[in-house]
Formats: sequence, C-alpha cells, structure tokens
Amino acid sequence: NAGVIQTPRHKVTGKGQEATLWCEPISGHSAVFWYRQTIVQGLEFLTYFRNQAPIDDSGMPKERFSAQMPNQSHSTLKIQSTQPQDSAVYLCASSLDHSQNTLYFGAGTRLSVL
Amino acid sequence: GQQVQQSPASLVLQEGENAELQCNFSSTATQLQWFYQRPGGSLVSLLYNPSGTKHTGRLTSTTVTKERRSSLHISSSQITDSGTYFCAMEQGTGSELSFGKGAKLTVSP
Repeated sequence: NAGVIQTPRHKVTGKGQEATLWCEPISGHSAVFWYRQTIVQGLEFLTYFRNQAPIDDSGMPKERFSAQMPNQSHSTLKIQSTQPQDSAVYLCASSLDHSQNTLYFGAGTRLSVL
Repeated sequence: GQQVQQSPASLVLQEGENAELQCNFSSTATQLQWFYQRPGGSLVSLLYNPSGTKHTGRLTSTTVTKERRSSLHISSSQITDSGTYFCAMEQGTGSELSFGKGAKLTVSP
C-alpha cells in the first residue's frame, strides 16, 4: 500500500497559466477529498467525490477551479489562469467510505504561482 | 459552518514534559479527529474520538460533547513529537472535515 499518491510534489507556474494536479487514492477507497493549505487560511476544504461522483464542491472557487474523477484510480484538480493567491499546498485524501475515521492524506502538491 | 478553535497556537516543551492541546467547537461534534503534521509532511490521523476518552501509545484524547471540547494529551514528550497538531470534525454526516488552525509543538532536548 503506497498510500495516497500526489503528483507533482512541486509545481511552479506563471500568472495566468494552467495547473493540473493529480491524485491517486488508495486502492479500494471510495471517497476522495481535496483540501488546500496555506499559512494564513490553514486547511480549507475544496471538494469531494464518492464512488467517483462529485458530492460537494462548496469550497471550490467557482470560476477557475475544477475537479474530476474519471475513474476510481485517480482524480485531478485543475486551476485555470493561476493567480499568486492560488499558491498553496494542495492536499488529496481518501477514505474507505464516507465515514472519515479512515482518512488518509497524500504528501501534497506545493503550487507556487509567480 | 462548523467553527473549530484550537489552543494554544504554539507550545514549547522540554523532552519528557507533558503536552495538553485543546479544541473547542461551535456545535455538536461528529467524527472528531486529531491529526499530526510533521514540517513539510503529510497529515496523519492520530485519534478518532467523537466522544469519551481514547488512548493510543502516549496519546490520550478526551472529548466532552455537551461542553463542545476535546483535548489531546501527550505524555512524556519526545523530540520526534515536534510538529503541528490539528483538531478536525465533520460539518455533517458524510461530509467534509473542518480543521482548526493547528497547534505547533516544539520539543527540545
């Protein structure tokens, strides 16, 4: 069990460019969550999927952020026209079911927007 | 939404001392958990404790639901305990976790 795998570990983009972040949940886990972590805001929920279906995206900035889970083995978070304020560590987590007492986090992707 | 407040924000101890971290929340606790994050590392779930007292190793968590608070006690702290501890709880059944701002623990020799 390699745990939740996130790639890339670090990504640097210029302002206005697109960034795509990847997450491979633990095999067999039905729920996948995306969070964003900054020093100022702390950990912020973005969106989550259950059995590949989007359940709650209330934390997503609607205009430039989108997330997909095309199959049970990976999810992507895409940020269009990145802005400096998007700089953060983006964390993906998965759980065996919707009950989060089995929540496992990946190491995160550090996004730096110059 | 759910508000989760942690105190203290930071704590410095000498090796061997005990640590007590507090978490207060704005409504009835569901799925309350404590997480740990080493600097530059990923979040690791330490204890799932929506009510009562739970132990694992040197960690003890006590959640008093009606008083809307939970604590994490670390006994005989070690240098490797240094890092940030987060309290988190669900907004509602089967939904996302809300996290506190974290408590940074530094254990020195």
